[in-house]
Amino acid sequence: DGGITQSPKYLFRKEGQNVTLSCEQNLNHDAMYWYRQDPGQGLRLIYYSQIVNDFQKGDIAEGYSVSREKKESFPLTVTSAQKNPTAFYLCASSKTAGAAYNEQFFGPGTRLTVL
Amino acid sequence: AQKVTQAQTEISVVEKEDVTLDCVYETRDTTYYLFWYKQPPSGELVFLIRRNSFDEQNEISGRYSWNFQKSTSSFNFTITASQVVDSAVYFCALPTGNQFYFGTGTSLTVIP
Repeated sequence: DGGITQSPKYLFRKEGQNVTLSCEQNLNHDAMYWYRQDPGQGLRLIYYSQIVNDFQKGDIAEGYSVSREKKESFPLTVTSAQKNPTAFYLCASSKTAGAAYNEQFFGPGTRLTVL
Repeated sequence: AQKVTQAQTEISVVEKEDVTLDCVYETRDTTYYLFWYKQPPSGELVFLIRRNSFDEQNEISGRYSWNFQKSTSSFNFTITASQVVDSAVYFCALPTGNQFYFGTGTSLTVIP
């Protein structure tokens, strides 16, 4: 079945450590996105990528980094510079970026807790 | 600037009641799309509907219906005869450029 997988579902990290969240899609979509969800704040865009080897900052990119070496994969690294990383992280993809009619498909999310 | 407002933070209804979730948006675009997503307790957002600004006809899909009014910049979502499985967080979204702008969501609880 086509879809988006994110791993792990739950992740615990000690303060000061970097951690990488995985996102893989087999939908053959060009565009991929990372969102952060906090209670009462909806979804906020961290980074997005329109094509392989290209990515752009979203509204809250500070303290995060990404790579897009393969079309199927868009991993997100939460660095120690991110001051409040505890949140629910959602990965999404769409056929293309910049076309407002394309819905985004979402993965099941990773809940990151910093201890 | 693009903005989506979902003023209702939490709603509780008793099973079989009808419920309407409000969405108000702001945009400078002359043509645009609006979306509704459902986020069940499992966490994954599920696409419900897409509507373009040219089409103001109401849309009905089973127990779900959507009322789009450009004059009031609203795109409201009604669930008829609610069921426990409708319990979720519902998001309204407005895409522009390469980005989706999401509202803060409405948490719906359907009490059996």
